[in-house]
Amino acid sequence: AQSVAQPEDQVNVAEGNPLTVKCTYSVSGNPYLFWYVQYPNRGLQFLLKYITGDNLVKGSYGFEAEFNKSQTSFHLKKPSALVSDSALYFCAVIDPGYSTLTFGKGTMLLVSP
Amino acid sequence: NAGVTQTPKFRILKIGQSMTLQCTQDMNHNYMYWYRQDPGMGLKLIYYSVGAGITDKGEVPNGYNVSRSTTEDFPLRLELAAPSQTSVYFCASSAGTSAFEQYFGPGTRLTVT
Repeated sequence: AQSVAQPEDQVNVAEGNPLTVKCTYSVSGNPYLFWYVQYPNRGLQFLLKYITGDNLVKGSYGFEAEFNKSQTSFHLKKPSALVSDSALYFCAVIDPGYSTLTFGKGTMLLVSP
Repeated sequence: NAGVTQTPKFRILKIGQSMTLQCTQDMNHNYMYWYRQDPGMGLKLIYYSVGAGITDKGEVPNGYNVSRSTTEDFPLRLELAAPSQTSVYFCASSAGTSAFEQYFGPGTRLTVT
């Protein structure tokens, strides 16, 4: 079975400060991991993915994520938050033996001016 | 290139009514998906398709049906609507499984009263 957990319902950060949105996963094999962002009243947008290779993955809008196999984590990070980063963020995982993604419940990121 | 389009954007149904949610993609993707999003619950997969003529159940298929007669279209049918089907529905497509990111439509907000 595959599963993903986002332990924080909401993350609050001041503009200009670094941000981290946490994600942990469970799969039987080597995981493929994804981050998506959802702005209000919109569909999800792909941010970045880890398939293989370098553990630090860079994506859209200055976001990056670090794959840590020993801690089974894939935390999303950004060095300097913007108010416009405020949105709902979803982590997703797939075990390559499976056909479909499993999404986390989402973490609301609120960046204050 | 419109990506993934969904109609309608909003709909109110009475209990017991039926309707079809339309989804079209113009990226020539073989894989298409239907999800429902409920507050605090993340995304749950309803049905998916790996190509024209091939569909399979996801995590929450009860009360829904799908068909895939063309690569572009993947309609979702609700029969005998129930209040539990009140949700936001998203269609998505991808070029492949596992390592490929999904592209999402803007969603359909459905209320059943």
